[in-house]
Order: sequence, then structure tokens, then C-alpha cells
Amino acid sequence: EAGVTQSPTHLIKTRGQQATLRCSPISGHTSVYWYQQALGLGLQFLLWYDEGEERNRGNFPPRFSGRQFPNYSSELNVNALELEDSALYLCASSLWGTGSSYEQYFGPGTRLTVT
Amino acid sequence: DQQVKQNSPSLSVQEGRISILNCDYTNSMFDYFLWYKKYPAEGPTFLISISSIKDKNEDGRFTVFLNKSAKHLSLHIVPSQPGDSAVYFCAAIPTGNQFYFGTGTSLTVIP
Repeated sequence: EAGVTQSPTHLIKTRGQQATLRCSPISGHTSVYWYQQALGLGLQFLLWYDEGEERNRGNFPPRFSGRQFPNYSSELNVNALELEDSALYLCASSLWGTGSSYEQYFGPGTRLTVT
Repeated sequence: DQQVKQNSPSLSVQEGRISILNCDYTNSMFDYFLWYKKYPAEGPTFLISISSIKDKNEDGRFTVFLNKSAKHLSLHIVPSQPGDSAVYFCAAIPTGNQFYFGTGTSLTVIP
């Protein structure tokens, strides 16, 4: 069974540009979560999508946005990039609504560098 | 505001000995706790979890202890193996399914 996949692996952008990161969840999983791991910090919760809807978002500005497609894949968009947006962005998926929904399965991440 | 804290950024342990990783939290509404392990260039992988109604959960070499009055969580690995060398994150969930992660502890098991 294929795990969570993310693309691209690495992304280099300049300040002020927009970045788009993509995530494909494990087959059958309906929930997708996005996290930011900046240097020296833990995983900071960004967004949670389930069944195409945004269920919750963390303490991030509105220039961080995303969406979930009918096939449950997801996209994270970061507008007006700032240097401090440089981080590892991790996507996770889970099967919401069952006893196993607490277990999230992570992808390998996208390393975003803003210069 | 970091609601889940791992105050030890790193830990070194001899192979065969016990590794104890600690985690403290501030929110009494957390009702489920998990530990994740992360190798370089990989995403975190689920290791073990515990519900707030329990104080201990064991899975092979891994045991998680929960002390609700102290708002403290610990992961014990016995015996430690070199392959256990990784970054360990604790995570907590209140109702609502939003995870709160700690900053991680880098464990090095010395052969």
C-alpha cells in the first residue's frame, strides 16, 4: 500500500513569490493535515481538511491557505513568501471517524527555502 | 504558546540501557497522547499512544507512562538499540482532532 506522498521534495522561491505544495493521502484516508517544521521548532499545525472542507487551522496568517480535492489529495499555498517561511512542510493523512483516526501517517515532507 | 514541551533537545544512551524521553503539557483538555519517531529525510512515524483514562501502555520495548496530575508523559525504551536513534516527538490531542506536537528530542543510542 502506497504511503502519503508529497511533491516537490525541494522548493526554492524568492521572497514575495507564491509556493504550492501537494500531498496525496493514503488510499481510503479522507483527512489531510499540514504541518510546518521550522528549524528548532516542533511540528506546528497548519491546516486540517476532511471531505473537501477545512475543519481547523492553526495560528498562521491567511496567506497560508489550501484546499482538498474530490480525490482527497490536497494542496497548500503560501502567498507573499517571507524568509521565515523557510521550513519543512509535512503532510499527514488519517481515516477520520474511526478508532484509528488518532493515528496520522506522514509523508516525507517538502523542504521550502525562501531566499 | 507551546502547549506540549520536550525540554531535552537531545539524549545519549548506551546500547542495551533504558532510554527515557519526557514530555510536559499544559492543557488539561488533552485526552489522547502519542509518540512519533522521525528519521532524517523521512516523515514522522507513529510509535505508541495512550488515552488519558490510562496511566501506562506497553508495546514491546516501548512503554508510555502518563501522569495526569503532573501533566507529564514519558516514553521508555528498553533495551535501547542503535536503530532507535532518531528524533522523538510527543503529541497531544484535545477533542477536535488537532494535534499539538512537542519540539522533539534527538535520541542517540551508542553501540
